[in-house]
Amino acid sequence: DVKVTQSSRYLVKRTGEKVFLECVQDMDHENMFWYRQDPGLGLRLIYFSYDVKMKEKGDIPEGYSVSREKKERFSLILESASTNQTSMYLCASTVGRNNEKLFFGSGTQLSVL
Amino acid sequence: AQSVTQLDSQVPVFEEAPVELRCNYSSSVSVYLFWYVQYPNQGLQLLLKYLSGSTLVESINGFEAEFNKSQTSFHLRKPSVHISDTAEYFCAVSNYNTDKLIFGTGTRLQVFP
Repeated sequence: DVKVTQSSRYLVKRTGEKVFLECVQDMDHENMFWYRQDPGLGLRLIYFSYDVKMKEKGDIPEGYSVSREKKERFSLILESASTNQTSMYLCASTVGRNNEKLFFGSGTQLSVL
Repeated sequence: AQSVTQLDSQVPVFEEAPVELRCNYSSSVSVYLFWYVQYPNQGLQLLLKYLSGSTLVESINGFEAEFNKSQTSFHLRKPSVHISDTAEYFCAVSNYNTDKLIFGTGTRLQVFP
C-alpha cells in the first residue's frame, strides 16, 4: 500500500515563527499536494507539485511556500506563522495528471499561538 | 471555474436506516467525480469515483453514487448504514483540463444505535 507520512501529528508554534511541515511518500508518485482543512470550509488547495523543483499555486497560497528537492518529499513552509494559519494540514500524492486517486497522510494539526 | 456544493453539513441517522449524502457540482466541461471518506483521526481515503462509462458506481462497503449530468449531481447512497460508517464524507470534482481536485465542504455522517 502507498504510504504518505507527515512528520508531526500535532504542532504548536508561536506567532512569527518559521514553520516547516514535512511530507514523504514511498510510491514514486510524481504529484504531491498540500491542503488545509477547516470546519465548514472543507479542503482548500495551498500548493501542488508535478515534479522535482516544480511548484504551482493552489487556491490559497498566501503566507505559504513549498519545496520539492526530492521526488518523495514535499515540504510546506510558513515563513512567519500567524494565528489564522491554525488548521489541519493534509498532504497527498498521486500518479497521473487526472488525480484519479489521491493518497492522503493522516494530517498535522498546527496551532499558532 | 469548477465548484462543489454539499448542502448538508451533518446527517444523523439510526443504524440500518438508508442514507443519502447530497453533492452538486458546476463545471463547463466534462468532469471526473469522487467521494472521499475521513474516519476520525485519519486522513482521507477514496471511497468511489466516476470517470466515464456507467453512471452508477459502487464501493466495496456498500455505498453507491450516481452521476446525473442533467441535474449536475453525484449523490452518495447506502441502503442500510452501520455504526462504522460514522465519518466525514467529501465530494470532489476534477476534469482533464485542470490540475486541481476541488473538494466540497464535507458532510458529517453520524450513525446512532
